[in-house]
Amino acid sequence: GQNIDQPTEMTATEGAIVQINCTYQTSGFNGLFWYQQHAGEAPTFLSYNVLDGLEEKGRFSSFLSRSKGYSYLLLKELQMKDSASYLCAVVDSNYQLIWGAGTKLIIKP
Amino acid sequence: NAGVTQTPKFRVLKTGQSMTLLCAQDMNHEYMYWYRQDPGMGLRLIHYSVGEGTTAKGEVPDGYNVSRLKKQNFLLGLESAAPSQTSVYFCASSSHVSGANVLTFGAGSRLTVL
Repeated sequence: GQNIDQPTEMTATEGAIVQINCTYQTSGFNGLFWYQQHAGEAPTFLSYNVLDGLEEKGRFSSFLSRSKGYSYLLLKELQMKDSASYLCAVVDSNYQLIWGAGTKLIIKP
Repeated sequence: NAGVTQTPKFRVLKTGQSMTLLCAQDMNHEYMYWYRQDPGMGLRLIHYSVGEGTTAKGEVPDGYNVSRLKKQNFLLGLESAAPSQTSVYFCASSSHVSGANVLTFGAGSRLTVL
């Protein structure tokens, strides 16, 4: 079967750095997305990786290793507004999106 | 620019009742989707559409029907609601951005079936 694994919950301190990991086992791979979802709101697009390596976008970076079936989202200079769930999703060989259950990130002052 | 609009935002149904969730997008996107989101689980695709007049089943289509009569609208119907259909429903549409099919989601519709 297809599987996306993410930690259920993480806690970090305002101003610090946090890394949210995502491992996947899917039938084929055609890209990996990260979305942010604040409580009670819609998911919003953060990043997309299809090749190995690091993609940086301001305070957020996303890394992919296709050979290891692994990605992480790195958030720097954490702000209270970064408290949200972070969803990892993989595009499989049929170009269907397979979603992880999400990681709830709690930021403490 | 409204993006993706879902109505209603909240609804309580009794078992066996029927209802329709409406999704409208103003971005001229070809692809539209209906997902459900349940605690501890990833988003699950119910049905999707690749263009006006077309629909296809997703991962969990049973108990739901959809229609895409106009490009901008995608309707999700529950024929006979069951408590297992208590969930938050998200509509999304997508466009191709730098080689990726990026989803834009509506604000969600919270449905409770008693």
